[in-house]
Amino acid sequence: DTAVSQTPKYLVTQMGNDKSIKCEQNLGHDTMYWYKQDSKKFLKIMFSYNNKELIINETVPNRFSPKSPDKAHLNLHINSLELGDSAVYFCASSSGGEQYFGPGTRLTVT
Amino acid sequence: KNEVEQSPQNLTAQEGEFITINCSYSVGISALHWLQQHPGGGIVSLFMLSSGKKKHGRLIATINIQEKHSSLHITASHPRDSAVYICALSQGGSEKLVFGKGTKLTVNP
Repeated sequence: DTAVSQTPKYLVTQMGNDKSIKCEQNLGHDTMYWYKQDSKKFLKIMFSYNNKELIINETVPNRFSPKSPDKAHLNLHINSLELGDSAVYFCASSSGGEQYFGPGTRLTVT
Repeated sequence: KNEVEQSPQNLTAQEGEFITINCSYSVGISALHWLQQHPGGGIVSLFMLSSGKKKHGRLIATINIQEKHSSLHITASHPRDSAVYICALSQGGSEKLVFGKGTKLTVNP
């Protein structure tokens, strides 16, 4: 059973489009995150949700909108995609410390 | 200057060698994490520690809070250990991670 799953694994789209990435965790964790890994492989926090409430928003453009319908799901919607949004997006969850990462979604904007 | 500095950036070793990867940080932390990212891209948490030393199989992680320094050691390295090893910090009440730039390890047979 996959602990943290993301869909899709790969996403290729054109500039200006709107797309969503979904994340689900079956670990019963209260906190979920979105991280972005850029072309230089550097990871950075984007958002954190605790029990469906936004607790961290790290100066991410407002084209990015996270949504948490329940504490097991944290989806990421991106409007008006730009070339610079191309990256790998990782979802993660935690409860009191250790984080569990999803497999990542490789987004390519052309 | 990044809050988390790792060294070396790249490391090549022969199978069987003892490996050390270092992590220094400049801020107060609640915990330090060592993560492994394989060539396939997946990220796995290896250790989370706030003091002392932890061991899991051939991997050992140590932290010195006073010196703001942590090391990850791999004994009897193997080609399957080839990966990027990332040091990350969590601070205060927030569980968000602040990442180092990673150390790319290649172990040759």
